[in-house]
Parts: sequence; C-alpha cells; structure tokens
Amino acid sequence: EIVLTQSPGTLSLSPGERATLSCRASQGVISTDLAWYQQRPGQSPRLLIYHASRRASGIPDRFSGSGSGTDFTLTISRLEPEDFAVYYCQHYSNSPRTFGQGTKVEIK
Amino acid sequence: EVQLVQSGAEVKKPGESLKISCEGSGFTFSNFWIGWVRQMPGKGLEWMGIIYPGDSDTRYSPSFQGQVTISVDKSINTAYLQWSSLKASDTAIYYCARHGVLGEYNWFDPWGQGTQVTVSS
Repeated sequence: EIVLTQSPGTLSLSPGERATLSCRASQGVISTDLAWYQQRPGQSPRLLIYHASRRASGIPDRFSGSGSGTDFTLTISRLEPEDFAVYYCQHYSNSPRTFGQGTKVEIK
Repeated sequence: EVQLVQSGAEVKKPGESLKISCEGSGFTFSNFWIGWVRQMPGKGLEWMGIIYPGDSDTRYSPSFQGQVTISVDKSINTAYLQWSSLKASDTAIYYCARHGVLGEYNWFDPWGQGTQVTVSS
C-alpha cells in the first residue's frame, strides 16, 4: 500500500499570502496519478487538481499542482477567505488508492 | 448536471444491519466507477472501495474487505454500502463519489453530500 504523507499538518497564513502544501508518496510508482481535494467545514470534498497538475473544471487559476513520482505540491498563489480549509492528496495509481492525512490551512 | 444524492442520516445500535444508498443522475451510470469514502469524526478521508455498475466488478481496500459490502442496482442508478453488524467504530460520515472519467484508475469527481452514520447503544 502506498502511504501519502502531507506536510505541514497545519499552515497558518493570512489572506493574500501564498500557500505551499506538500504530499510525499512512500513509493515512486504513482507517476502523476495524483489528485488534490479541498474540504471546507461541513462540506463534501471537492476536486481541485488531477493528474498532478491539471485543474478541475471551475477551479480558479490561483490553484496549481506540480510534481511526479514521489513528491507533489499544491500551491495557492494568493489566499482568498474561502480557501481556508483542509486539503487532501490522493493517488489512484494502483489498489488500494489512498489519501494523505490532510493539511489544514487556517487564518493566521 | 452530474449529481450524486445520498440517503439520509442513520442512528443505529451495535449489532444492527444497515444499507445506505447513493443515486446518480446526469450521466450514464453504468459506465462510471462509483466509490465510497469514510470520514470518522474529526479525521481524514479513507478510501473504502469502488464498484463498476456495468458488471458489478468491485475493489475493496484491505482495511475494509470483509467489513462492508458495496453493491449496485444499475436499473435505478443506485450504489449501496452495507453492514451486517455495526460497531460503534463505524460511526462516521460516508461519502460516495464518481470517478472523474471512464476507467478504473482515476480521481473522484463529483462527490455526494455524505451520509452520517451514528452507532450507539
């Protein structure tokens, strides 16, 4: 089973700042088979990024993804108030698919 | 509009059985894998398994194999998650989600609204 480790656990930032979230895979077999999701409090997760760097439909261009193999990054260029949420990475390279434990982006 | 609508919240006692549902609309239900994800109180997301409505082919995470059953009725565009004997540790929100595109290996998009399952004596 591939373990995804997200860091940091919590990111305290102010609106307008840049957020950089990391997701590291325990094995390098996932290539770019990685997605990022946003979960706001009390809501279902929402797809942001798939294939490591492709933005989902309707996602603002301040969200970007990069990486391949074992190291992946989600960047939010300028935080808007609605971006304060929990972010999860997920691989879909093989079974079982797994999620990272999440990074909470909170208002500083 | 592609949409997944889940059944309502459930409160059950330990040892009881339960089946929750997820109805899809706005797409050809038989063609897309549907998955289930658990979120325990205050915790992260856990991938439970997926099913292909076209032929009911199913994949389970080892963590959930034997603990739950994923099934589907493609005639009514509905997927199910069921337990034969609930435990208090099954208390969680359960989300269904569709694969984003055709094929077994891809991301979830969209997601259902979630079903809260509470197991308590």
